[in-house]
Amino acid sequence: QQKVQQSPESLTVSEGAMASLNCTFSDGTSNNFRWYRQHSAKGLEVLVSIFSDGEKEEGRFTAHLNRANLHVSLHIREPQPSDSAVYLCAVSMSNYNVLYFGSGTKLTVEP
Amino acid sequence: AQTIHQWPVAEIKAVGSPLSLGCTIKGKSSPNLYWYWQATGGTLQQLFYSITVGQVESVVQLNLSASRPKDDQFILSTEKLLLSHSGFYLCAWSPNRGAEQYFGPGTRLTVL
Repeated sequence: QQKVQQSPESLTVSEGAMASLNCTFSDGTSNNFRWYRQHSAKGLEVLVSIFSDGEKEEGRFTAHLNRANLHVSLHIREPQPSDSAVYLCAVSMSNYNVLYFGSGTKLTVEP
Repeated sequence: AQTIHQWPVAEIKAVGSPLSLGCTIKGKSSPNLYWYWQATGGTLQQLFYSITVGQVESVVQLNLSASRPKDDQFILSTEKLLLSHSGFYLCAWSPNRGAEQYFGPGTRLTVL
């Protein structure tokens, strides 16, 4: 079964500094990768989706995928205190209907 | 625009009692529907998915069942709750397989 691991478990950055989050997955046939954000046990907000190696930017959020290294990352440019939340990495395999989540990175952005 | 509604917002139930949680999607016909569960401090796990009315596939066994009685409705239920069922339940939809999943606001369940 797919294993999705995120690091670090928690991250504190200053407002305006770059925040970098990591996600590794176990199944090399995975082909859909998404980053979500969750504020205080509420619904999830999708930030960026990436399907091929390289980089995908959505506003201040950039995802980098390296499938050979089983690694996908999220970089948040100029983070604001309102970006403080739990960030979740989600990976799906070829059948597309099942999404596997990591345990999340709790990001705190200090003013 | 599509909207997703979950009910109830929160529920406190006794061990052994029945449960029914609901999810409705408006503004999209024939969506793919999904149920997820998140224990407090735990990882979000997909429980079920449905691609059409009357068809539900199980992903994780948690002594729960799901049904899709109408195109826009997804129901999660059990006849006997366990303490381990406590957590946060999220419903999601996507326009088709492999597409973005959009999540509802969730239902907080506490089993005592």
